[in-house]
This record gives sequence, C-alpha cells and structure tokens, in this order.
Amino acid sequence: DADVTQTPRNRITKTGKRIMLECSQTKGHDRMYWYRQDPGLGLRLIYYSFDVKDINKGEISDGYSVSRQAQAKFSLSLESAIPNQTALYFCATSAYRGLDTQYFGPGTRLTVL
Amino acid sequence: ILNVEQSPQSLHVQEGDSTNFTCSFPSSNFYALHWYRWETAKSPEALFVMTLNGDEKKKGRISATLNTKEGYSYLYIKGSQPEDSATYLCAFIPDFNKFYFGSGTKLNVKP
Repeated sequence: DADVTQTPRNRITKTGKRIMLECSQTKGHDRMYWYRQDPGLGLRLIYYSFDVKDINKGEISDGYSVSRQAQAKFSLSLESAIPNQTALYFCATSAYRGLDTQYFGPGTRLTVL
Repeated sequence: ILNVEQSPQSLHVQEGDSTNFTCSFPSSNFYALHWYRWETAKSPEALFVMTLNGDEKKKGRISATLNTKEGYSYLYIKGSQPEDSATYLCAFIPDFNKFYFGSGTKLNVKP
C-alpha cells in the first residue's frame, strides 16, 4: 500500500462549488504539505503543517483552507472553486525539517469549469 | 517568493549520451537542496539531499554537485537510458521550514 494517499484522484467541478481534497499518510511523519503544480511553474506550496496544532500558509494560500484532523490526515479545501484553481494538487510528508526529503502522494487532478 | 531556476527546461538526448542540468538558487541563505525525479503519471521521488558547499552525491549513473557560494547545483546523468526519461526537480530550502521548487528539467532519452 502507498505511504501517502490522496482522494479523489480526479475531480471535475463547477465554479463556486466547495471542494475538499484529502490526504492520508502511514509514514508516521509530523510534517505535511499541500502543493499545486501548474505547467511550467513547478510545485508551489499552498499550506504546510508541522503537527496537529500548527498550520502555516505557503506562498499561494489565498482561496484555500486546510484542516489537520490527525497526525496522519491533512485536508485541503477550496471554499468557492474558480477556474484558475484548475491544477494538479500534491500532498507530501516529511519527517523532520529540510534535511529530510518529502514523500509525495499520487496527486489529485482538479478541473474547475 | 524565492526564485529557483532550472535549466534547460527540456532536453532530448540519445541513449548512451551523458547529460547535465542546472538548478540555480539565491546564494544569500542556504539550509539544504533536494533533487527529485518525477516520472510521468507518478509522484516525485527523492534522489539526493545536499547540505554542504562542495557536496557531491552519487546514485548509480546519476550524480549531483553543490556550490552554495555561487548558488547552483548540477545534476549529471552518465550514459543516459530510456528509463531515465523524467522531469528532474530541485527544491531549495533556505531555512528548515519551506521548500521552493524549480519548474524542473524534462529529460527525454531516445533509444
């Protein structure tokens, strides 16, 4: 079984709808991250969490919110989806600080019509 | 927002060719640099973690070097194989909290 899972894997929705993307991990890591990937722009950090009580904004947090329900679960919400939020979304985990690599989930492809 | 640049954006080589590409980052503040390999329809997977100026890492035919004073890292692939085809991402970590990814170099190795 995969260490980092994301649901759903693909989602098509309409402008204005609320969407939640879920991430679960079995690696026992404290740190979890949400990124979005747009063609030609690499991975951009949306939110990150160092433990259940610690949530931090990344470089592109506007229009998104997150919830860390447990050490193993980190959800990303789009309160009112807009077309420019169409992207590939990745969840990642890491054990400790910047010396530990990130382990990525399989990605969620979100299309907002 | 920090600027992490990777060049070239894409590269087409023949099987057996050796190749290299660059990750450039601000040299003013450095904690670590990661290299990831990202195959199509899969998730990025870590290749190297580099922390010290002058670091050299090697895994099979792939190696990487780091120059923190001038703000760049090179990734080398010796004798490229079709299975090396992927996008190679670098992530610059100026402190231990945030990762800044480059846009990647897409490598295509033709048999």
